[in-house]
Amino acid sequence: EVQLVQSGAEVKKPGESLKISCKGSGYSFTSYWIGWVRQMPGKGLEWMGIIYPGDSDTRYSPSFQGQVTISADKSISTAYLQWSSLKASDTAMYYCARGYSSSWYPWGQGTMVTVSS
Amino acid sequence: QSALTQPASVSGSPGQSITISCTGTSSDVGGYNYVSWYQQHPGKAPKLMIYDVSNRPSGVSNRFSGSKSGNTASLTISGLQAEDEADYYCSSYTSSSTLFVVFGGGTKLTVL
Repeated sequence: EVQLVQSGAEVKKPGESLKISCKGSGYSFTSYWIGWVRQMPGKGLEWMGIIYPGDSDTRYSPSFQGQVTISADKSISTAYLQWSSLKASDTAMYYCARGYSSSWYPWGQGTMVTVSS
Repeated sequence: QSALTQPASVSGSPGQSITISCTGTSSDVGGYNYVSWYQQHPGKAPKLMIYDVSNRPSGVSNRFSGSKSGNTASLTISGLQAEDEADYYCSSYTSSSTLFVVFGGGTKLTVL
């Protein structure tokens, strides 16, 4: 079964750093793009960026360029999304998804990040 | 502002059919047959319902269908059921960004 499993919920203070993960299983991790999507409370889905673990080709949405870093460790089939200095406005649910044909399937279960002083 | 335009809400009664539109440009929806649709229930991860404009993944009900005309893609749900009440998002490949994928703003489907 193709599956993406994300790390657990996080509660952080403004200014702290954070790295969340997305572990793939049941397929060749290096052969498919992984995308990260933000969903702020009560809002829609926003693409943040994507990475191809095979060669680490990474692309960012202009809205997130410089705000986050996307990476992958193909030795453990895991993609990451990290922040160096969190803001309250980073409070959101974050999903990873695997590129499938021209679509995205499956999706991880989501990681809730809460940033509050 | 989302790159693809969807109506904020649609509604229908059980058994009826509804259609959700997704309007883009020739750089995305109109230029490629790479539109997909996702269903999201409250508190759940999105679920792929349609890919490549009109293809259904295994396990998705044939009550869900997709189509495209010009720069507008559409998701049609026939024989509405209470469980179809959810948010629906379209997504498309785009040639106008190095991040080659964009979402619509989402549509809330209410089953009356």
